[in-house]
Amino acid sequence: ETGVTQTPRHLVMGMTNKKSLKCEQHLGHNAMYWYKQSAKKPLELMFVYSLEERVENNSVPSRFSPECPNSSHLFLHLHTLQPEDSALYLCASSQDHLAGSSYEQYFGPGTRLTVT
Amino acid sequence: SQQGEEDPQALSIQEGENATMNCSYKTSINNLQWYRQNSGRGLVHLILIRSNEREKHSGRLRVTLDTSKKSSSLLITASRAADTASYFCASMDSSYKLIFGSGTRLLVRP
Repeated sequence: ETGVTQTPRHLVMGMTNKKSLKCEQHLGHNAMYWYKQSAKKPLELMFVYSLEERVENNSVPSRFSPECPNSSHLFLHLHTLQPEDSALYLCASSQDHLAGSSYEQYFGPGTRLTVT
Repeated sequence: SQQGEEDPQALSIQEGENATMNCSYKTSINNLQWYRQNSGRGLVHLILIRSNEREKHSGRLRVTLDTSKKSSSLLITASRAADTASYFCASMDSSYKLIFGSGTRLLVRP
């Protein structure tokens, strides 16, 4: 257990559905991240939140909408996804995401998303 | 090669042998980190080496960093079947983002 939980662990959705992924960290960290891991591709950073403010949006399509209501919770709202969006979505947290920080990230187990 | 690309892509060794994985990156870094991932699960942080460090040890892990060659290596000594996993290097760039490589799949045969 890394102290980062994700729900659901598996999700199958149609292209017209709307669903949300949830991440919660119990580590008292100030920064949270969403990553996408597709088969045979490196882990791709999607969003970074620091102290509940979005500090990075890595050219992610608008069909992915993040939300960070507080420093412990992070959501990824999904709508009108495409089959190529099927992947493992990983949430991570770190102590900080500030200039001069060199902190490791703690990952959740991921949500395996399949878009049909 | 891509940022944080690992070499080899796959490695199969006998239990007890050492495993060496290499990583190359392109831009200047603040630090370089190694992570492990069991099949379909989240990543687990193994070790972090700062840009001004050349070598670091943690248990059976030894990491080296050569900033002149923009490369790093991870050595796992006396491997165990439980070390079977994918190993990723991640370079932290000047904007403090982690850039991950494609990973090395390690199989340790009992």
